Amino acid sequence: QVQLVESGGGVVQPGRSLRLSCAASGFTFRNFGMYWVRQAPGKGLEWVGNIWYDGSNIYYADSVQGRFTISRDNSKNTLSLQMNSLRVEDTAVYYCARKEDFGEALDYWGQGTLVTVS
Amino acid sequence: SYELTQPPSVSVSPGQTATISCSGDKLGDKYACWYQQKPGQSPMLVIYQDMKRPSGIPERFSGSNSGNTATLTISGTQAMDEADYYCQAWDSSTAVLFGGGTKLTVL
Repeated sequence: QVQLVESGGGVVQPGRSLRLSCAASGFTFRNFGMYWVRQAPGKGLEWVGNIWYDGSNIYYADSVQGRFTISRDNSKNTLSLQMNSLRVEDTAVYYCARKEDFGEALDYWGQGTLVTVS
Repeated sequence: SYELTQPPSVSVSPGQTATISCSGDKLGDKYACWYQQKPGQSPMLVIYQDMKRPSGIPERFSGSNSGNTATLTISGTQAMDEADYYCQAWDSSTAVLFGGGTKLTVL
């Protein structure tokens, strides 16, 4: 079955960096676009960015553009999110999610990893 | 910038029909999808491409999208359906966009 497992969250001071990983299994990772979505405590969902199946295109929300970098290693079935210059407002649960084949829905989500900037 | 607007809350009695709306400019020209999120859990896709149900989602969940409004309908609502629901669409200017979420209360 499809599994997405995030790791790397924790408590970090403002201005510091953190790297999140998402280990994928149960599907052909290299065939699917992948997303990062975050949710601040008690708030709604916010798209962070996404990467095409082959890594050829990457898009970011304005709120993280220039500070966050998404990458993937299709040989290791791994998605990454490098977060630099972290701000208090980046505090959230970060989810990785798989994009469905033919549209823009996210059909599988990981359990999330909490990042606290304080 | 493009925005999706949902009512903050909707209440429904068990066995009745719950309707949750999602409004955006010419939303009917885009694909809309819906996620259910229960406390402490990850979001789960319940409707995609306006009206399709993923495998395992009960038939009581249905969707539509026309004009400026997408709608999630839950027929015969059960207590287990109490959750937050988020609509989502894609726009060329803002990429993936989520609505603010609707808390569905079954009472």
